[in-house]
Amino acid sequence: IAGITQAPTSQILAAGRRMTLRCTQDMRHNAMYWYRQDLGLGLRLIHYSNTAGTTGKGEVPDGYSVSRANTDDFPLTLASAVPSQTSVYFCASSRDSSYNEQFFGPGTRLTVL
Amino acid sequence: DAKTTQPPSMDCAEGRAANLPCNHSTISGNEYVYWYRQIHSQGPQYIIHGLKNNETNEMASLIITEDRKSSTLILPHATLRDTAVYYCIVRVGGSQGNLIFGKGTKLSVKP
Repeated sequence: IAGITQAPTSQILAAGRRMTLRCTQDMRHNAMYWYRQDLGLGLRLIHYSNTAGTTGKGEVPDGYSVSRANTDDFPLTLASAVPSQTSVYFCASSRDSSYNEQFFGPGTRLTVL
Repeated sequence: DAKTTQPPSMDCAEGRAANLPCNHSTISGNEYVYWYRQIHSQGPQYIIHGLKNNETNEMASLIITEDRKSSTLILPHATLRDTAVYYCIVRVGGSQGNLIFGKGTKLSVKP
């Protein structure tokens, strides 16, 4: 692994289903972030983690949960998907939470029907 | 974070310099200027940042005016692969939390 990876690349999901988007980085970065990107709205922060074992809410956290059991992984879970969660999801990481050079993953395109 | 203003779109001929402007007239003394870009369907990519001095790296140069109210990102020899949306972000150095991406400038490099 080099950098930050996300899985799956894309997914079509029925409304009401549970889904976990995976994010892994091998840069030993302390801070990690989940953004969603919607046309006309730009990137919006969903949740973040300043260090392993801690998480925080971003601008649009409702309907999403995260965990940070270790430094490398930061999964995003949709407990019961709704169509408004159709979006492109980007995971990012930075050396620490005060470091504004963020590295982004390739994204997951999620469609909720 | 100070508000930024960028033109919605620009064109540039391949091989020529691309100069992307950003206005940040309300910037405060401890705020840095960051530039990211997003190539279609990919995640954003960090390019460069600066406080008040001009900066250069392998990707681009950043020119910040003396009063710091505006800046210009320069891609010295634009290629077709530089076609992307470029975001100018102003942020307090060392501050925590997410980056706020505006609408950016859609740069189209044409052959």
